[in-house]
Amino acid sequence: EDKVVQSPLSLVVHEGDTVTLNCSYEVTNFRSLLWYKQEKKAPTFLFMLTSSGIEKKSGRLSSILDKKELFSILNITATQTGDSAIYLCATTGNTPLVFGKGTRLSVIA
Amino acid sequence: GAVVSQHPSWVICKSGTSVKIECRSLDFQATTMFWYRQFPKQSLMLMATSNEGSKATYEQGVEKDKFLINHASLTLSTLTVTSAHPEDSSFYICSAIGVGTDTQYFGPGTRLTVL
Repeated sequence: EDKVVQSPLSLVVHEGDTVTLNCSYEVTNFRSLLWYKQEKKAPTFLFMLTSSGIEKKSGRLSSILDKKELFSILNITATQTGDSAIYLCATTGNTPLVFGKGTRLSVIA
Repeated sequence: GAVVSQHPSWVICKSGTSVKIECRSLDFQATTMFWYRQFPKQSLMLMATSNEGSKATYEQGVEKDKFLINHASLTLSTLTVTSAHPEDSSFYICSAIGVGTDTQYFGPGTRLTVL
């Protein structure tokens, strides 16, 4: 059974801190790993990763995939209160999309 | 970017009534749409996969007669919760995939409250 595990489950940091969110997976016929940010409503797409070692970057957020060790990290630098959200990692493979339970990030001023 | 809309955003209904939720891909054609359910403080749970022009594929434990899905066109899928009960109260989210891509784009969700 495909599995996606995220850690930590919850994280509280101060504004300006850098955070690293982890996602490990066991997926049959892995195709891609996706990161989403979920605030009050539905998830919004952040990154899709298909190749190992290639960093994807968008502003203060970046992510990288390691297909050998079966994990990905999402980095957020200089965090702001607006980064507070649940960050979801998901994979595609035989199953269209398998989500992890998410990491709840709270950024306090 | 790809935009997916849902209607309504929020619905309150009486127990025993049916509720229809629409999911539209606004600027792309979606051969496949997905319906998820999310309980408070939990991750999304896939309910069914909907392919245009064919019957939906339901996940184990999801009653297909209770949650009717129709994917009538490449831009529209509907979820009808039939004879809704309070335990059906939840946040229902749809997503859509464009042709030749793996990325699912999510609608904003519909919050259903059954009294």
